[in-house]
Amino acid sequence: SQELEQSPQSLIVQEGKNLTINCTSSKTLYGLYWYKQKYGEGLIFLMMLQKGGEEKSHEKITAKLDEKKQQSSLHITASQPSHAGIYLCGAADNAGGTSYGKLTFGQGTILTVHP
Amino acid sequence: DAGVTQSPTHLIKTRGQQVTLRCSPKSGHDTVSWYQQALGQGPQFIFQYYEEEERQRGNFPDRFSGHQFPNYSSELNVNALLLGDSALYLCASSFRGLMSTEAFFGQGTRLTVV
Repeated sequence: SQELEQSPQSLIVQEGKNLTINCTSSKTLYGLYWYKQKYGEGLIFLMMLQKGGEEKSHEKITAKLDEKKQQSSLHITASQPSHAGIYLCGAADNAGGTSYGKLTFGQGTILTVHP
Repeated sequence: DAGVTQSPTHLIKTRGQQVTLRCSPKSGHDTVSWYQQALGQGPQFIFQYYEEEERQRGNFPDRFSGHQFPNYSSELNVNALLLGDSALYLCASSFRGLMSTEAFFGQGTRLTVV
């Protein structure tokens, strides 16, 4: 079965600083999904990556899937307190890269942003 | 569009009891997946329902069962509750079509077993 390892497990930064969260898979990633979760709440979809080398950005968040498709990174530029939360990477388990709602998740990275 | 709605939001049960959690998918979605998220962990896939049948199942015992109704809403049932069943239970809905993309998650039900 596929396993996802996220690093770091937690991160504390000062507002305005850049940061990167990594997600490493034990198998080839066909579809990699990034979600954000406020403590005790549901998951909010951020981005989906399917092709090696693919990079997507939304506002100040950029996600990339490496060429070998076994690692993804999430980069936040000029962090703000609103970026605080738990970031989760999830992998689809089919070669088409579509989750159909079934994902294997990493353990999450807790981000704290101090004003 | 109300998105994915789950009920109840919080629940306290006694060990050995049974519990039913409910989920209404996002409008236009036909597939419902259930996840268990223990404190400090990522969500773990329990099972998925499509066309009123369980299609895929994760590594969970038979005490965990579910149902999907003709209107695509779903229930998760857990029998003989254990203390270790205490967790946030998340429902995710998606559309099983060619253009299927991300799954949308509900706010979750916090189950505490005492």
